[in-house]
Amino acid sequence: SYELTQPPSVSVSPGQTASITCSGDKLGDKYACWYQQKPGQSPVLVIYQDSKRPSGIPERFSGSNSGNTATLTISGTQAMDEADYYCQAWDSSLYVFGTGTKVTVL
Amino acid sequence: EVQLVQSGAEVKKPGESLKISCKGSGYSFTSYWIGWVRQMPGKGLEWMGIIYPGDSDTRYSPSFQGQVTISADKSISTAYLQWSSLKASDTAMYYCARWDIVQFFFDYWGQGTLVTVSS
Repeated sequence: SYELTQPPSVSVSPGQTASITCSGDKLGDKYACWYQQKPGQSPVLVIYQDSKRPSGIPERFSGSNSGNTATLTISGTQAMDEADYYCQAWDSSLYVFGTGTKVTVL
Repeated sequence: EVQLVQSGAEVKKPGESLKISCKGSGYSFTSYWIGWVRQMPGKGLEWMGIIYPGDSDTRYSPSFQGQVTISADKSISTAYLQWSSLKASDTAMYYCARWDIVQFFFDYWGQGTLVTVSS
């Protein structure tokens, strides 16, 4: 079965850039998306089709996907960005989530 | 406005059966896949399965095949997730979410249903 691996945690200072990776076999050949989940809330889509932002998502969120790695980048990180982030990809009728990354804004 | 509204929290004993629901509104319920996602306490998101209410075509994650049943009643725009015999390890938050088949993401999510299984 297909697996997506993320670092368990990323720490970032306010105003700095946070990068979260998502690794999977030939992930660059698939579309990756990213969800943000804050405590007690349902996930919210922040990036789809590798690099597109849904309406209402701040420009500081960006994404890329190439080779075996997709990356979510948060530029000028704010305290409100502290959350869990999950990547996801679709592969042969399997809707796989990444292992999740906790972003802490110190 | 697209909404997915899930049924309320449940407390059950091991061995009991359970069916939770997810009601869609604000869109054509039969035209979008609805997926179910498990989140165990303090853990990540796990895709369980997905159903197309238009014809009840259903796909399961290998990890959940045979453990749960996903169904839908298009006449009332509702999808279901059910267990025939709950285990303590089924304790989790369960989300339903609508799948965008063109752009490959879950675009709308329910509020979640907390299932607690304890003797």
